[in-house]
Amino acid sequence: LAKTTQPISMDSYEGQEVNITCSHNNIATNDYITWYQQFPSQGPRFIIQGYKTKVTNEVASLFIPADRKSSTLSLPRVSLSDTAVYYCLLAYSGAGSYQLTFGKGTKLSVIP
Amino acid sequence: KAGVTQTPRYLIKTRGQQVTLSCSPISGHRSVSWYQQTPGQGLQFLFEYFSETQRNKGNFPGRFSGRQFSNSRSEMNVSTLELGDSALYLCASSPGGGSSYEQYFGPGTRLTVT
Repeated sequence: LAKTTQPISMDSYEGQEVNITCSHNNIATNDYITWYQQFPSQGPRFIIQGYKTKVTNEVASLFIPADRKSSTLSLPRVSLSDTAVYYCLLAYSGAGSYQLTFGKGTKLSVIP
Repeated sequence: KAGVTQTPRYLIKTRGQQVTLSCSPISGHRSVSWYQQTPGQGLQFLFEYFSETQRNKGNFPGRFSGRQFSNSRSEMNVSTLELGDSALYLCASSPGGGSSYEQYFGPGTRLTVT
């Protein structure tokens, strides 16, 4: 049974590094782990994706252990504009197709 | 490039009616996915279309259906609306091949069922 777990909320001060972990089991072997950011009244926005080890782009890093049962989104030096809900997206295989499953989301509040 | 567009943005329907929502993907994108977002259940996957064929499907009843046209535009239909169908319906497009889910979302259609 597909199950994805994220913390419901996190608080951080401006300038700090924030790490958000998504725990998941039995995800599809060949699929990427993807993270999205969502602001109120907007659709989710792609942040980063990875398959294994570590991926970094201009806004975030993604750490994935060898067993791929979790992934950690790292936001360096957050600012007030990073206040949003962050979702992990996984693909779980089943019945000849994939189930795309979002985590419940982590509401990040950045404090001045 | 223009982003993903969804029409209409807001919709009010009565229980028992049906509704059709439209999505125009980013030019060149061949995959379109639909999601339902509610405060209680969060973001839930409805289905994905790629090159006019349904490639993946979530756990929603048959009242929820979709299709994709040759120009990659997509529609989803909900028949016999129930109060619980009130939600934000999001469409997302991506180039399509492989196992990447880098998707670009539209602003959504807010459906209210009374």
